[in-house]
Amino acid sequence: DAKTTQPPSMDCAEGRAANLPCNHSTISGNEYVYWYRQIHSQGPQYIIHGLKNNETNEMASLIITEDRKSSTLILPHATLRDTAVYYCIVRGYNTDKLIFGTGTRLQVFP
Amino acid sequence: NAGVTQTPKFQVLKTGQSMTLQCAQDMNHNSMYWYRQDPGMGLRLIYYSASEGTTDKGEVPNGYNVSRLNKREFSLRLESAAPSQTSVYFCASTRLWGQGNYEQYFGPGTRLTVT
Repeated sequence: DAKTTQPPSMDCAEGRAANLPCNHSTISGNEYVYWYRQIHSQGPQYIIHGLKNNETNEMASLIITEDRKSSTLILPHATLRDTAVYYCIVRGYNTDKLIFGTGTRLQVFP
Repeated sequence: NAGVTQTPKFQVLKTGQSMTLQCAQDMNHNSMYWYRQDPGMGLRLIYYSASEGTTDKGEVPNGYNVSRLNKREFSLRLESAAPSQTSVYFCASTRLWGQGNYEQYFGPGTRLTVT
């Protein structure tokens, strides 16, 4: 599975969009980009995933560059409850195993 | 739907003691996993089970054994606990939908301290 690189921490004002970047320059054509988050010490929670097209759901949007070497998770209107560690993970095709890195710690402030 | 449940929530062991961490899911998922998370680190896969009756090693299997008792339950056993196994342990199961779409559901974790 391709390795991912994320900034260790970011801040965002409440109500503003939070844009979390992820580099995955060695991703191969059949690997998916997944995002999970972990609030405080709870179990991680699935957010969104994509292959090559941009994706949106009720939680977030995922923008994947055309060359697929990087992606951005967008939380359109961050709230204090979005304060968490966000993990960007590349998952191989036909496997459900996930390899977690250290993620980005997002702090949303009032 | 209780989702993924884990017992116990907290445990303190002395070095050399044994214990079993229990995990159950009521979502009829085939795959189940055990992870550990050390302070300030991401999760690392210990063992996983793709289906009832099968288990495979993950990144950090040494010192652990697992049993996939049935489709619902996947237990993790520490035969002789060591301080290096002090960690938070998460169990997860995977929902598969559509073509190659996977979503892992995680339990609340077991906080284990080995003294």
